[in-house]
Amino acid sequence: NAGVTQTPKFQVLKTGQSMTLQCAQDMNHEYMSWYRQDPGMGLRLIHYSVGAGITDQGEVPNGYNVSRSTTEDFPLRLLSAAPSQTSVYFCASSTGGQPYGYTFGSGTRLTVV
Amino acid sequence: AQKVTQAQTEISVVEKEDVTLDCVYETRDTTYYLFWYKQPPSGELVFLIRRNSFDEQNEISGRYSWNFQKSTSSFNFTITASQVVDSAVYFCALSEETSGSRLTFGEGTQLTVNP
Repeated sequence: NAGVTQTPKFQVLKTGQSMTLQCAQDMNHEYMSWYRQDPGMGLRLIHYSVGAGITDQGEVPNGYNVSRSTTEDFPLRLLSAAPSQTSVYFCASSTGGQPYGYTFGSGTRLTVV
Repeated sequence: AQKVTQAQTEISVVEKEDVTLDCVYETRDTTYYLFWYKQPPSGELVFLIRRNSFDEQNEISGRYSWNFQKSTSSFNFTITASQVVDSAVYFCALSEETSGSRLTFGEGTQLTVNP
C-alpha cells in the first residue's frame, strides 16, 4: 500500500517554463488537495477535488491548474513558472464525509530560477 | 472564515523538559475537526491526532497529550519529558465540516530539543 505518491521529489525550473507535479493515491480516497509550504506561513491550499471530475480553488490558486480525470490521480500544472512559486508542494488525500485523517505525500521541492 | 494561530514561532528546550505548543483557532461552524501534524527535518508530514468539536476529552498518548478547550478555542499540545527526536516543526490545523476536505494550517512552531 503506497499511500500518496508524489513525483518528482526535486525540480528546478527556469522562469516561464511549465511543468506538472504528479500525485497518485491508491486508497480510493474521494478527496485530494494540493498545498504549498513557505517559510513562516504554514501550508496553504492551492486547489482541491472532492471527486473525479470535480475541482475547486483554494486560498492561493493563481498560476496553477488542476484536473481530476480519475479517482487516483490529481496532477498540479504550473503554466508559466515564476520565482514566487518556489516552494515545497504537498499533495494530500482523505476519505469523504468526516475527515478522519489526511494522508500526505512526501512533498516536491520546487525551485524557480 | 476559518483561521488557526500558532503564536510561538520557535521554542527551544533542554531534553527532559516538558513543553506546550499553543494553538488557537477561529471558526463559525459548530462541527469541525482539529489536527496536529509533525514535520521532522526530513520534511514529511506525520499525522499525530484528530479531534472533533464534540469531543472535549483530553487525550494522552505516551509522552504526548492534548488539551482541547472550546471555551477558549484552543487545542494545545504538550510533550512530557522531551527528547531530541521531538525536534521538528509542529502544525495545528482545522477543517470545518462545511469546508469538505480543506485544511487550514497554523504557521507552525519550530521545536528544538537540546541534549
